[in-house]
Amino acid sequence: AQSVAQPEDQVNVAEGNPLTVKCTYSVSGNPYLFWYVQYPNRGLQFLLKYITGDNLVKGSYGFEAEFNKSQTSFHLKKPSALVSDSALYFCAASSYGDDKIIFGKGTRLHILP
Amino acid sequence: DSGVTQTPKHLITATGQRVTLRCSPRSGDLSVYWYQQSLDQGLQFLIQYYNGEERAKGNILERFSAQQFPDLHSELNLSSLELGDSALYFCASSVLPNTGELFFGEGSRLTVL
Repeated sequence: AQSVAQPEDQVNVAEGNPLTVKCTYSVSGNPYLFWYVQYPNRGLQFLLKYITGDNLVKGSYGFEAEFNKSQTSFHLKKPSALVSDSALYFCAASSYGDDKIIFGKGTRLHILP
Repeated sequence: DSGVTQTPKHLITATGQRVTLRCSPRSGDLSVYWYQQSLDQGLQFLIQYYNGEERAKGNILERFSAQQFPDLHSELNLSSLELGDSALYFCASSVLPNTGELFFGEGSRLTVL
């Protein structure tokens, strides 16, 4: 069965510092991996995805994510955090031929001014 | 604005009752996903349709059912409601299944008293 783990419920980062939000996955076959962000009282918004190709994927708002097949990880990163990046971040996964897209439990990111 | 419309935005009902949540996907999107978001369970995949056909099923209770109509809108029916069904129910749509870039509605918040 597919699963996505986000080991940290919350991550605190000072403004201007680099941030990392961790995600590991378990799928059968080649993974399709995604990151979404949710602001208070809103639906989720797509940030970026990895389907194939370069292991480093660039997305919206300066975010990027690195696919690591051997570690089955897809960590979200940003070189310099902004207070406005504070939100709930979800990692998600599916695989070729499987229409299910499974989400992790989410990581709350707090950027401290 | 994602282009996905969910109604109602808020719903308060009593245990044992039945409700219907409605979703209109983004124009041109053929695939609809339903998710349940609760504080302790995160974002749980319920069911997915593509062009009127059920394509994937997740942790959807037997008391719940869904369908996608010829005009591509979808409805999620929740019956014999229990207190634990209180949650935020999201609909998301995409052009094709499994491409990962889901567009989420703002959600329907269900409170069961």
